[in-house]
Amino acid sequence: NAGVMQNPRHLVRRRGQEARLRCSPMKGHSHVYWYRQLPEEGLKFMVYLQKENIIDESGMPKERFSAEFPKEGPSILRIQQVVRGDSAAYFCASSPVAGAGGDTQYFGPGTRLTVL
Amino acid sequence: GQQVMQIPQYQHVQEGEDFTTYCNSSTTLSNIQWYKQRPGGHPVFLIQLVKSGEVKKQKRLTFQFGEAKKNSSLHITATQTTDVGTYFCAGGNSGYALNFGKGTSLLVTP
Repeated sequence: NAGVMQNPRHLVRRRGQEARLRCSPMKGHSHVYWYRQLPEEGLKFMVYLQKENIIDESGMPKERFSAEFPKEGPSILRIQQVVRGDSAAYFCASSPVAGAGGDTQYFGPGTRLTVL
Repeated sequence: GQQVMQIPQYQHVQEGEDFTTYCNSSTTLSNIQWYKQRPGGHPVFLIQLVKSGEVKKQKRLTFQFGEAKKNSSLHITATQTTDVGTYFCAGGNSGYALNFGKGTSLLVTP
């Protein structure tokens, strides 16, 4: 049973370019969460999605960031016009049931974004 | 909003010594989860505590959840070099987000 998959594992972008990060949840999991981790920091919640629905995006920056989880295919975190401050590790997690008050979230290997 | 504080930020021990990290939440939690992250790796789930006063053990690791469900601790007995990494607590509540502490980085020297 494959775990949470993320690609690419490393992504380098120049300022102003777009970054697309992909996440495929564990088999049987329909709940996806995105977190961002800055160096020496904990993980900060960004967004929670179910298939075709954004449930909670309270942690997403208001501009340039968007997320989707289409009916078919992986969840996508998109960052437009990247800036140096976007450099971080972006982790995706999935769970079989909803919410942090419920089941465990299983994390993918992360995408490490570097903005030059 | 809810804040989760974790201390110490760093801990350096000799192999065989014990290690403890503490986690405190500004609000009552429905559950607390512990994760371990190796350098360059991703958070790996260790355990979830749900009940007030709960204590769980995994080999040399002992996890506690406070009576008020606002604090927790992880204790490692007789550390080994394989214990190296950053240990995060994450508070779960009625919402969807896990609120992570900043972690305790453990270094174990032989």
